[in-house]
Amino acid sequence: SQLAEENLWALSVHEGESVTVNCSYKTSITALQWYRQKSGEGPAQLILIRSNEREKRNGRLRATLDTSSQSSSLSITATRCEDTAVYFCATDAGGLSGKLTFGEGTQVTVIS
Amino acid sequence: DPKIIQKPKYLVAVTGSEKILICEQYLGHNAMYWYRQSAKKPLEFMFSYSYQKLMDNQTASSRFQPQSSKKNHLDLQITALKPDDSATYFCASSQVNSQNTLYFGAGTRLSVL
Repeated sequence: SQLAEENLWALSVHEGESVTVNCSYKTSITALQWYRQKSGEGPAQLILIRSNEREKRNGRLRATLDTSSQSSSLSITATRCEDTAVYFCATDAGGLSGKLTFGEGTQVTVIS
Repeated sequence: DPKIIQKPKYLVAVTGSEKILICEQYLGHNAMYWYRQSAKKPLEFMFSYSYQKLMDNQTASSRFQPQSSKKNHLDLQITALKPDDSATYFCASSQVNSQNTLYFGAGTRLSVL
């Protein structure tokens, strides 16, 4: 079965700095998604990057995908305190079930 | 206003009892899901329904039974509860053919004593 995993448990940055979360996965995918989960809330999608795309941007967020090394990164620039959350990558192998496989998540804390 | 409503937000149950977790979505989506988030484990896929039909079931136990009475409802019945069932259960929905972008509810936190 495929596995998605972020590479670090936790990161701390000062407000205004940039931070990058990395993710690796084990099997072929049709797309990879990044989600953010704030305390007490459900995950919310940030970016979806298809397997034929190398980079995707959404405001201050930038995701990359390298299918040859089966890895992805999510970078956040000009961080704000409200970016404090757990960031997950989730892989989509396609098919009809709609199943996503989530990584364990990286806690990002933005310090003011 | 939340578009995916999960009830209750918190739930405490005794071992061996039965509980139903409620989920309603008002996004007009045709697919709904249940995921479980346990301590120190990744968010784990449980079920997917599309047009009120079961698409995939990744739970090993028959104690977990999804129930879809309406197309925008997907409740989760859990019987013979065990302490290991303690987790936060998230309902999600998506529009089929939208590359599986999931929209999650706020979750039901279940504690089994």
